Amino acid sequence: GNSVTQMEGPVTLSEEAFLTINCTYTATGYPSLFWYVQYPGEGLQLLLKATKADDKGSNKGFEATYRKETTSFHLEKGSVQVSDSAVYFCALSEGGSYIPTFGRGTSLIVHP
Amino acid sequence: DAGVIQSPRHEVTEMGQEVTLRCKPISGHDYLFWYRQTMMRGLELLIYFNNNVPIDDSGMPEDRFSAKMPNASFSTLKIQPSEPRDSAVYFCASSSGGQQPQHFGDGTRLSIL
Repeated sequence: GNSVTQMEGPVTLSEEAFLTINCTYTATGYPSLFWYVQYPGEGLQLLLKATKADDKGSNKGFEATYRKETTSFHLEKGSVQVSDSAVYFCALSEGGSYIPTFGRGTSLIVHP
Repeated sequence: DAGVIQSPRHEVTEMGQEVTLRCKPISGHDYLFWYRQTMMRGLELLIYFNNNVPIDDSGMPEDRFSAKMPNASFSTLKIQPSEPRDSAVYFCASSSGGQQPQHFGDGTRLSIL
């Protein structure tokens, strides 16, 4: 079956530091890949997505590249802000199944 | 465009009481999902509907949980009787299916005393 593995958190950074959150996946076909963000007290919201190999998704300064050869979709941001503190979920969705597979989430804490 | 709307946002009740959570999906979305989120188990899919029909309820923890979708704009998740271990945040999400992203509501924070 499909699976998504994310790095354990929390990730603690100072403002303006570089961020990487690792995500690797296992899928039987050719999934679409997503990063969702959950701010305190809110639901998950889509941050970015990529639908095929070598696609780069980007939004709000965050980027992730769909790497089929390494089955990875790592999230990066060049300079984090305190307002980026949240939980980040990596997820995949395949055409044959309408049930997305989520990772366990990685908490990011950014200090001023 | 309104997002997914859940009510209530918070619910505190005593063990043994019936709890009903409500969800209004985004108009035009054919798929509706109910999730439960806890620190211990993370995000768990409980059940999902396609065109108002339950497709997979294998995540529903036990017979105390039931879900309905009487029309395209409304769904309920009911727990009867409730137990303290049901305390969690319950999310509803909708999507247009396939490889499209899900849109989540802000959740219902449920506390069973």
